[in-house]
Formats: sequence, C-alpha cells, structure tokens
Amino acid sequence: ILNVEQSPQSLHVQEGDSTNFTCSFPSSNFYALHWYRWETAKSPEALFVMTLNGDEKKKGRISATLNTKEGYSYLYIKGSQPEDSATYLCAFPRGQAGTALIFGKGTTLSVSS
Amino acid sequence: DAGVIQSPRHEVTEMGQEVTLRCKPISGHNSLFWYRQTMMRGLELLIYFNNNVPIDDSGMPEDRFSAKMPNASFSTLKIQPSEPRDSAVYFCASSPGHEQYFGPGTRLTVT
Repeated sequence: ILNVEQSPQSLHVQEGDSTNFTCSFPSSNFYALHWYRWETAKSPEALFVMTLNGDEKKKGRISATLNTKEGYSYLYIKGSQPEDSATYLCAFPRGQAGTALIFGKGTTLSVSS
Repeated sequence: DAGVIQSPRHEVTEMGQEVTLRCKPISGHNSLFWYRQTMMRGLELLIYFNNNVPIDDSGMPEDRFSAKMPNASFSTLKIQPSEPRDSAVYFCASSPGHEQYFGPGTRLTVT
C-alpha cells in the first residue's frame, strides 16, 4: 500500500520566520514527487514536480529538495508572509505520467503578521 | 484557457436524490481525475480517465457512484441515491502528463 506522510500536521509562525516541512514517500518505484499549495476556499495549485534524486526547485521564497533513495522531500519557505498561509500537500504518483496521485494529509501553515 | 471548469459550485440536496457533478477539463489534457475531499480522509481519488477511458475506479465508494467521460471535453460524476455521508467537496482535475490542474470544486451537502 502506497502511503505518503507529511509532518508536521500544522504549523504556526510569525511573519519573517523561515520554516520547513517534510514529506515521506515510498523509495521504491519512484516516478515523481509533487508539491501543491492549497489556500482555503480555493483549489490545490501545483508548486513543483520533482523527478530526479537531489533535485532542488525554487519559486520565489519557496524551495523544495528531493531524496529518492531515502524517500523524503523538504519544502522550505524563507521569510514567511501572511499570504503564505495555506495547506501544503505532497503527492506521489502510482505510476508514470497520467496516473493517479496519492496525496498526503498536508501541512497547514499559518503565518501571523 | 479558463482552466478546469466544474458545475455546479454548490449543491444542496435531500437524501435519496440523484446528484450529477460536471467537469470540463483543460483542452488538450488527456487525463482526468475525480477527487473527494473530507475532513476525515483528506483528498482521495475516486476515479480517473486516460483518453476518455476509465483506468482505475477502485476509489469509488460503492455502486451508488458512477462516472462517465463521453468525450475529451466533458465528464460527469453521478451519485444515486445520495446519502448524508456523501457530503464533501468534489474536485475534478486534468493533466497533460505529470502536473494536475484542479477545478474549483463542487461543495455537496446532502441533508
């Protein structure tokens, strides 16, 4: 059974703090690892799709790293802002492109000003 | 492109009624996914299609749920008869390959 675990479940930081959270996934039969950002009352929005061990992707103040051998990915947010408040989901595809994603339960980030 | 379009955005119905949710994927995307989001279970896959063909419906809760994709630009998810435990947000997503693009969701309330 494929399982994607995320920690922590929720996180509260002050504006300007940097933070990170973890996604753990099966290290065998790896195809890709996805990160999504999900704001309240909106739909999930893709942040990154990572496919190579050692990959590091960056979008503004948000970056992610990938370790496929040990089965984990970290998402980093530098200098958190209130608009970063959202649930961050990671997802692991069951197979190659075009197959279903198995989502973790997410890490809910709340940033206070 | 307008993105993935779902209708209705909100649906309130009584137990026992038939409910039909609709989705228009992004043009050119060959995969379409139906998800359900609940507090208890998070975001879970119900069914997905590749090139209009259902590939995996193992996530469909029971026979009351059915999904169709008659052509590349339209899919439906039907619940008949609906029950209160079906209350959730139902998302449709489409994909050209790896990345999935989500619609705004349909919030279903069954009383």
